[in-house]
Amino acid sequence: GAVVSQHPSRVICKSGTSVKIECRSLDFQATTMFWYRQFPKKSLMLMATSNEGSKATYEQGVEKDKFLINHASLTLSTLTVTSAHPEDSSFYICSASGGTEAFFGQGTRLTVV
Amino acid sequence: AQSVAQPEDQVNVAEGNPLTVKCTYSVSGNPYLFWYVQYPNRGLQFLLKYITGDNLVKGSYGFEAEFNKSQTSFHLKKPSALVSDSALYFCAVREGYSSASKIIFGSGTRLSIRP
Repeated sequence: GAVVSQHPSRVICKSGTSVKIECRSLDFQATTMFWYRQFPKKSLMLMATSNEGSKATYEQGVEKDKFLINHASLTLSTLTVTSAHPEDSSFYICSASGGTEAFFGQGTRLTVV
Repeated sequence: AQSVAQPEDQVNVAEGNPLTVKCTYSVSGNPYLFWYVQYPNRGLQFLLKYITGDNLVKGSYGFEAEFNKSQTSFHLKKPSALVSDSALYFCAVREGYSSASKIIFGSGTRLSIRP
């Protein structure tokens, strides 16, 4: 299957700083990318959907000013957690889709201290 | 709205025995269903999908799933469980067939295979 690379796999940051997570589709063009958040032992919660060249569509309850999503090219989307706080600590997973299939990155474990 | 339900938080099976992980769905049109597996601190690995055709779908690692329209179910099965199958399993439904169609996940079922 297609490869989606998510980086970094783990990051620890201080409270109040910003963290950027990258999601790249390595061998296909992803017209749409999805960002999910997963709490411990819980399911994946869809945060937002981004289409290349457009503003992201956020799910209800997700702060768009805190979770900035950029999808400037067909192979790269970024999620920036701004002014991170300990409650933002979580596992973030991206998914890239170029058609009927969607492929997932390996996830990023964010810890805010 | 589309949704999937996984009624079991945990399933425990002895190695070598058959396993079933349950999933029911609710969709407004034709279902586009998936099963994924997740190992600790990892992303999701695709197991199989159903769009149309045969109700029995075969996937990776010896897994299969049976689509049952009358019962709106899409249960994951394997004839003989391995200890290495122990992981978190998610059933999912996609709201359409375009790249922009959202994928909605069930709550997950933790599968534990004892030697």
